[in-house]
Amino acid sequence: ETGVTQSPTHLIKTRGQQVTLRCSSQSGHNTVSWYQQALGQGPQFIFQYYREEENGRGNFPPRFSGLQFPNYSSELNVNALELDDSALYLCASSFFDQETQYFGPGTRLLVL
Amino acid sequence: AQSVTQLDSQVPVFEEAPVELRCNYSSSVSVYLFWYVQYPNQGLQLLLKYLSGSTLVKGINGFEAEFNKSQTSFHLRKPSVHISDTAEYFCAVRFSGNTPLVFGKGTRLSVIA
Repeated sequence: ETGVTQSPTHLIKTRGQQVTLRCSSQSGHNTVSWYQQALGQGPQFIFQYYREEENGRGNFPPRFSGLQFPNYSSELNVNALELDDSALYLCASSFFDQETQYFGPGTRLLVL
Repeated sequence: AQSVTQLDSQVPVFEEAPVELRCNYSSSVSVYLFWYVQYPNQGLQLLLKYLSGSTLVKGINGFEAEFNKSQTSFHLRKPSVHISDTAEYFCAVRFSGNTPLVFGKGTRLSVIA
């Protein structure tokens, strides 16, 4: 059974640029959630995707957007990067009606 | 707003000593409770979870936690810690249904030889 994978592992961007982060869910999981973990903080929920549609969103602006593909993999896109977007971005997968989420290793984004 | 509070940001403890990491949450409705561990420069690994049933749950690496509904707490314990337990520990709660995880700010456990 393959766990949750994310790419890239690290990324450096400059303010105003756009970035795309990728996530492959654990085998069979049909729901993907994205979280932002700023330095020294707990993860904060960005949004969740189920059946290729957004199924819940946290307190993040519209420049944070996502996609889910038929194979349940997912992308997180962030436009007009700001310095405060520097963080570890975590992807978690699960079955839609199950309580437990399994996390990937994360992508560390640095915005200069 | 629903929230999770981890009362200690840092906990230093000597090797082979017991440890308790505290977690309280804001709501008394049915909840699902989780503890995750994060080693340096890594993602989150599930330690244990409470969904229903026995209030004492056992997890990996010798950790256990007890759900206390009246005190809205889910404290994590280990009777004897090892150097390898040094990590950040996060308590997380799903407050109902298919809602997202709400995390505490984390507790950094440092095990001293």
